[in-house]
Amino acid sequence: QVQLVESGGGLVKPGGSLRLSCAASGFTFSDYYMSWIRQAPGKGLEWVSYISSSGSTIYYADSVKGRFTISRDNAKNSLYLQMNSLRAEDTAVYYCARKDYGDLDYWGQGTLVTVSS
Amino acid sequence: DVVMTQSPLSLPVTLGQPASISCRSSQSLVHSDGNTYLNWFQQRPGQSPRRLIYKVSNRDSGVPDRFSGSGSGTDFTLKISRVEAEDVGVYYCMQGTHWPRFTFGPGTKVDIK
Repeated sequence: QVQLVESGGGLVKPGGSLRLSCAASGFTFSDYYMSWIRQAPGKGLEWVSYISSSGSTIYYADSVKGRFTISRDNAKNSLYLQMNSLRAEDTAVYYCARKDYGDLDYWGQGTLVTVSS
Repeated sequence: DVVMTQSPLSLPVTLGQPASISCRSSQSLVHSDGNTYLNWFQQRPGQSPRRLIYKVSNRDSGVPDRFSGSGSGTDFTLKISRVEAEDVGVYYCMQGTHWPRFTFGPGTKVDIK
């Protein structure tokens, strides 16, 4: 069965960096686009970024453009999100999700990122 | 960007009674390929979102048939025919037609009266 497991969250100071990982299993990872979505505490869902199956096409939400970098390693069935220049407003649970054309069909359990001094 | 709105934002329901959530988009969600990429997600307390419905009206595997989706263009509806206790949570609609930017509705909180 499809499984997505995020890791790498934690407490970081404003201006700091963090790298999130998402380990995929149960499907041919290299066939699918992947996405990151986040949810601030008590708030709704916000799409952050996605990456094509080969890694050649990447998009970001305006709120993270220039600070976050999405990448993937198809040999390791893994998705990453490098987050730099973190701000308090980046505090959220970060989910990875599989993109199936215009749909997001499977989500991980999420990893919490807290940006605070 | 496409803006998604939902109503109501809070929906107290009686067990066994029907419930209905409306979702509207600021632009048509009909894609050039003929599909309409409108998803519905359920997020139970403390859990990650789970997709219930894709392409407006297709139920995901394992989703009870009391959940149904309908609509077209810019107006969509999620219906629960008879609410059960396990249906408590927040429901989000999401458009995937106008990618690269997926956009979500603000969510509708369903709880038991």
